[in-house]
Amino acid sequence: GENVEQHPSTLSVQEGDSAVIKCTYSDSASNYFPWYKQELGKGPQLIIDIRSNVGEKKDQRIAVTLNKTAKHFSLHITETQPEDSAVYFCAATSDTGRRALTFGSGTRLQVQP
Amino acid sequence: DAGITQSPRHKVTETGTPVTLRCHQTENHRYMYWYRQDPGHGLRLIHYSYGVKDTDKGEVSDGYSVSRSKTEDFLLTLESATSSQTSVYFCAISTGGSYGYTFGSGTRLTVV
Repeated sequence: GENVEQHPSTLSVQEGDSAVIKCTYSDSASNYFPWYKQELGKGPQLIIDIRSNVGEKKDQRIAVTLNKTAKHFSLHITETQPEDSAVYFCAATSDTGRRALTFGSGTRLQVQP
Repeated sequence: DAGITQSPRHKVTETGTPVTLRCHQTENHRYMYWYRQDPGHGLRLIHYSYGVKDTDKGEVSDGYSVSRSKTEDFLLTLESATSSQTSVYFCAISTGGSYGYTFGSGTRLTVV
């Protein structure tokens, strides 16, 4: 089955700086890569996703890049704000018929004011 | 947003007792999932369903069973709870044409 590794496990940045979280996946058949943000006491929320036929996708201050050859994808957050502080999860699926996602272990992002 | 509710939100139970967690959706989504969340492990898939009475095992299915007799309800049962099943359990649905999930608010289960 799919295996997703996520780094770093914790990340602290100053407000206004950029943050980058990286994930690698094992199954070359994976073709869908979402990112989730989880705030304390809540369920994860989808913030951006990318499909394997696209190399990069942006949505305001967040972007995701995908390198299919190297089997890794990254989340980029620019101009970080204190409200970006949360746990972020990457995920991947090759089981597109049943949409079962495999998640990374999570990154706790702390944005210092 | 898709309506998805989990019940109960919190539960403390004793080792060896059966426990059932409920996930309810207000829309007619086909795909539903149960994950558990533990520190250092992220979210791990327990079971999932792709339709009424159609279910399959995830990576950590031992000790758990599921049922889906109606589209809107997906039940997770711990037949005989153990301390290793202390966790936060999340239900999710896959909505629309995207594969992105909408998660419930979670159930915090403590087995003592």
